[in-house]
Amino acid sequence: DTAVSQTPKYLVTQMGNDKSIKCEQNLGHDTMYWYKQDSKKFLKIMFSYNNKELIINETVPNRFSPKSPDKAHLNLHINSLELGDSAVYFCASSQITRIDGNTIYFGEGSWLTVV
Amino acid sequence: EDKVVQSPLSLVVHEGDTVTLNCSYEVTNFRSLLWYKQEKKAPTFLFMLTSSGIEKKSGRLSSILDKKELFSILNITATQTGDSAIYLCAVATNSGYALNFGKGTSLLVTP
Repeated sequence: DTAVSQTPKYLVTQMGNDKSIKCEQNLGHDTMYWYKQDSKKFLKIMFSYNNKELIINETVPNRFSPKSPDKAHLNLHINSLELGDSAVYFCASSQITRIDGNTIYFGEGSWLTVV
Repeated sequence: EDKVVQSPLSLVVHEGDTVTLNCSYEVTNFRSLLWYKQEKKAPTFLFMLTSSGIEKKSGRLSSILDKKELFSILNITATQTGDSAIYLCAVATNSGYALNFGKGTSLLVTP
């Protein structure tokens, strides 16, 4: 069973479209994240939710909107896609209250290409 | 602003060589330093270090943290082609939930 699963794995879409990436974790973790990895392989935090509450919102365009219907799910919706949004988006989770709570577990990534 | 700097950015070695990857950091309220290996897909966890001078070891990989000099090294002995990957260093702080990642070291092990 995949611990952190995200869909779709690959997405090719045109500029201006709106798209969503879904993420689910079955680890019982209380904290979920979205990271963006650009073409230079730099992993950068975008958002973090703890028990459905937004706790980190980095400098990300407001075209990106996370939604957490429950603590096992954190979806990412992107409006009016731009070429620069092309990247790999990783969902991740952790149990922040544990002593190893900063060990985060990543999903397999969603490769977004905007054309 | 928190900083995590890895060096070298890329490295090519022959099978059997030993490599040392470096990670230095400047963060407020340091909590832990983590190493991840990323092949084609998701980063996978290698080590978490919280105390200075205590080596963590897993097979041919080992890592150590120096909290005074603010750096960590990841050693890989007797490298194999399967060690080819991007190695990511990340730092967690007590003031935040997320990990701050360095830009990674891309390691290529040639036969």
